[in-house]
Amino acid sequence: ETGVTQSPTHLIKTRGQQVTLRCSSQSGHNTVSWYQQALGQGPQFIFQYYREEENGRGNFPPRFSGLQFPNYSSELNVNALELDDSALYLCASSPEAAQQDTQYFGPGTRLTVL
Amino acid sequence: AQTVTQSQPEMSVQEAETVTLSCTYDTSESNYYLFWYKQPPSRQMILVIRQEAYKQQNATENRFSVNFQKAAKSFSLKISDSQLGDTAMYFCALGSGGGADGLTFGKGTHLIIQP
Repeated sequence: ETGVTQSPTHLIKTRGQQVTLRCSSQSGHNTVSWYQQALGQGPQFIFQYYREEENGRGNFPPRFSGLQFPNYSSELNVNALELDDSALYLCASSPEAAQQDTQYFGPGTRLTVL
Repeated sequence: AQTVTQSQPEMSVQEAETVTLSCTYDTSESNYYLFWYKQPPSRQMILVIRQEAYKQQNATENRFSVNFQKAAKSFSLKISDSQLGDTAMYFCALGSGGGADGLTFGKGTHLIIQP
């Protein structure tokens, strides 16, 4: 069984640019959530996708957007990058059936904005 | 709004000792779930243990167990016979039924197991 995978591992961008991060959910999982983890902090919920629709969102501005594809993989897009967007971005997937509340995380993408 | 508080930024114990990490939370939901996640230096967030709020019995997973005090809104993690590989950041997290609001995490406790 393949776990949650994310790409790329590391990314360096400059302020004002746009970035796309990718996530493949664990086999059998149809829900994907994205989190931002600043250095020394716990993860903060960005949004969640279920069956290709956004069904929950945290306190993040609209320049954070996402997609989910029919195979349940997902993208996180961030426009007009700011220095404070530098963080570890974590993707997590959840099963539809039993224990659907439980989220399984990928290894993350480290984004640095210069 | 849901909140999770971990009041111990860092803890250090000797190998083979037992250690307890504290977590308190607040939620207005009646149907919720609590989790402990481990994040080693490799940064992958690993699920340690899960507790449903409606269950009175405390969850256990091998050397890991929780003390869930619902009235006090407390959810501590006990690690028995600690091992060097237990060294990591430990995060307490809260999720409500359905999960559409995501998980709310505490700021974490850095646990160091000394040889």
